[in-house]
Amino acid sequence: DAKTTQPPSMDCAEGRAANLPCNHSTISGNEYVYWYRQIHSQGPQYIIHGLKNNETNEMASLIITEDRKSSTLILPHATLRDTAVYYCIPARGGYQKVTFGTGTKLQVIP
Amino acid sequence: GAGVSQSPSNKVTEKGKDVELRCDPISGHTALYWYRQSLGQGLEFLIYFQGNSAPDKSGLPSDRFSAERTGGSVSTLTIQRTQQEDSAVYLCASSLIWGTPDYEQYFGPGTRLTVT
Repeated sequence: DAKTTQPPSMDCAEGRAANLPCNHSTISGNEYVYWYRQIHSQGPQYIIHGLKNNETNEMASLIITEDRKSSTLILPHATLRDTAVYYCIPARGGYQKVTFGTGTKLQVIP
Repeated sequence: GAGVSQSPSNKVTEKGKDVELRCDPISGHTALYWYRQSLGQGLEFLIYFQGNSAPDKSGLPSDRFSAERTGGSVSTLTIQRTQQEDSAVYLCASSLIWGTPDYEQYFGPGTRLTVT
């Protein structure tokens, strides 16, 4: 599986866009980029995933660079409930034997 | 519908005792995963079940750890002769379809195990 690099922590003002970067320079051609988040004391929650094209859903947008070596998760209007650890995970579809790593701890500030 | 459930939510046990942790996946989900998360750490993969295939046990840290999945549904993770380093949150996840790209894992709330 590809290795990832994420900043350990970030702050974002409530109501502003939160942009969370992830470097996955060793991603292989058949690996998707998945994003999950883990709110304190809860199990991880799926957010979004993509292969090459940018993706958007009701939770977030995912921007993947053309060379696929990095991506950015965008929370367009961060709320206090978005405070969580965000994990970027390159993985093949189907069976995903992955280790989530330590992710980025996003703190949304009132 | 109901999500992934795990029981117990908290378990305190004495060193050397055996414990069983239970996971009820979402109905119809064929894949089931167990992870462990130690304090302040990321998730560590333990074991994976998919349908009737042999499970991938490569993440189990020692032979004190075992898991089974009965009838393709409920799973039990057993830790024998517990040690203090086994203290962690044990998370279970399930997913719908194997072999397709558009799938995600649904996680349960976890079982917090404390070995004293």
